[in-house]
Amino acid sequence: KAGVTQTPRYLIKTRGQQVTLSCSPISGHRSVSWYQQTPGQGLQFLFEYFSETQRNKGNFPGRFSGRQFSNSRSEMNVSTLELGDSALYLCASTFNPTQETQYFGPGTRLLVL
Amino acid sequence: GQQLNQSPQSMFIQEGEDVSMNCTSSSIFNTWLWYKQDPGEGPVLLIALYKAGELTSNGRLTAQFGITRKDSFLNISASIPSDVGIYFCAGTNQAGTALIFGKGTTLSVSS
Repeated sequence: KAGVTQTPRYLIKTRGQQVTLSCSPISGHRSVSWYQQTPGQGLQFLFEYFSETQRNKGNFPGRFSGRQFSNSRSEMNVSTLELGDSALYLCASTFNPTQETQYFGPGTRLLVL
Repeated sequence: GQQLNQSPQSMFIQEGEDVSMNCTSSSIFNTWLWYKQDPGEGPVLLIALYKAGELTSNGRLTAQFGITRKDSFLNISASIPSDVGIYFCAGTNQAGTALIFGKGTTLSVSS
């Protein structure tokens, strides 16, 4: 069974631009969570989606948004990029939201110049 | 938001040595998970713990869910060079379902 896939793997943007990252969960998994990883803050929870609905949201500004499609694929969007948004963005999937064992993708490395 | 206190921050050991790292929380956790992350990759699940006192092994790795439900440890026996990486503890507390992560323990193994 294929793992969680994320595209693109690497991205360079400039301040003020927006970016969209994509995540395809493990086949059969319906819950997708997004995390931001930085050297200073570690892994921080962004949001979780299940059945195309946001179930849970971390403490990030409204510039960070996401959505989930009917096939469980998810996208996250960051608008008006700031230098501090440079990070590894990780997606994780589980079969359903009550299952805490999350499986991570390889991440998208975003650099904001 | 809440974070877990993971220690040590880094370890430098010789091949063949045993390693121990732990995580503590100020609140009760319902699950404890241990992940390993290699450079440029996402975290890979090593061990999942669901009950207080639970002791689980995965090859040379052993982890325990603390009796107080506020801590967990991970042991690696007879370390080998491929054990190098960053180890994260993570868990869910009674407040919600989002995973909370420790800052990680960076393990270096010299042969």
